[in-house]
Amino acid sequence: GAGVSQTPSNKVTEKGKYVELRCDPISGHTALYWYRQSLGQGPEFLIYFQGTGAADDSGLPNDRFFAVRPEGSVSTLKIQRTERGDSAVYLCASSQTGTGEAFFGQGTRLTVV
Amino acid sequence: DQQVKQNSPSLSVQEGRISILNCDYTNSMFDYFLWYKKYPAEGPTFLISISSIKDKNEDGRFTVFLNKSAKHLSLHIVPSQPGDSAVYFCAAMMNAGNMLTFGGGTRLMVKP
Repeated sequence: GAGVSQTPSNKVTEKGKYVELRCDPISGHTALYWYRQSLGQGPEFLIYFQGTGAADDSGLPNDRFFAVRPEGSVSTLKIQRTERGDSAVYLCASSQTGTGEAFFGQGTRLTVV
Repeated sequence: DQQVKQNSPSLSVQEGRISILNCDYTNSMFDYFLWYKKYPAEGPTFLISISSIKDKNEDGRFTVFLNKSAKHLSLHIVPSQPGDSAVYFCAAMMNAGNMLTFGGGTRLMVKP
C-alpha cells in the first residue's frame, strides 16, 4: 500500500494475556520505529530497526516487550503478560535511511482490562 | 526528564489570524527538528522540518523558526484555517534517521 499500515486498529485484551501488533511499512523504507502514545502525551520511543536488526531498543519499558522484523519489512511488536498500564496507542513509523521524516501509521489502540 | 517540551496544551485562534506554537528542548545534541500534525484516530503527519544549521524554514502557510542559543523553536501558521485544527507535536532527533523525541503536543483550535 501507499502508507504505513497497522493491524489491528483496536485490540481489547485481558490482563495477563499475550498480544501481537503488526506493522507494514512503506515499501522500500529500511528504517522502522515503534512508539507508544498515552492519553494527553506525545509519542514515546520504543524501538528502532534498521533492516532486520534492532538498532536501538532502549525505549522498551521492560522484558515483557519484544519486537521483530525478520525479513526487513513487516514488524511485529509482542507484549507478554499484559498489564493495565500497557493500555495506549501503539504507533509504527517508517523512513528512508538517513532522512529525518518518518511516516506514521494510524496506530493500534490497545486496551487491557 | 522531558527533553522536548510544549508548555501550552491548547491554543485558540480566529480564522485568518496567525497561530504560533512553541517548543523548547534541553538536549544540545539535537540537530534536526520536525513538526507533526495529528487528527483524532489518525497517526501523526509530517508538516515541516528544520536543520540546526538554519534558523528558518518556510513552506506555504507554515514557517518554522529555530533559536539554537535559546533551545527554542516555533511554528507559525498564517493565515490560520479551520482545517488546521489538530494536535501539533514538536519532535527532535540527533542525526537524521535516528529516533524522534516528541513534546507533549499543543491542541490548536481555529475558530471560523
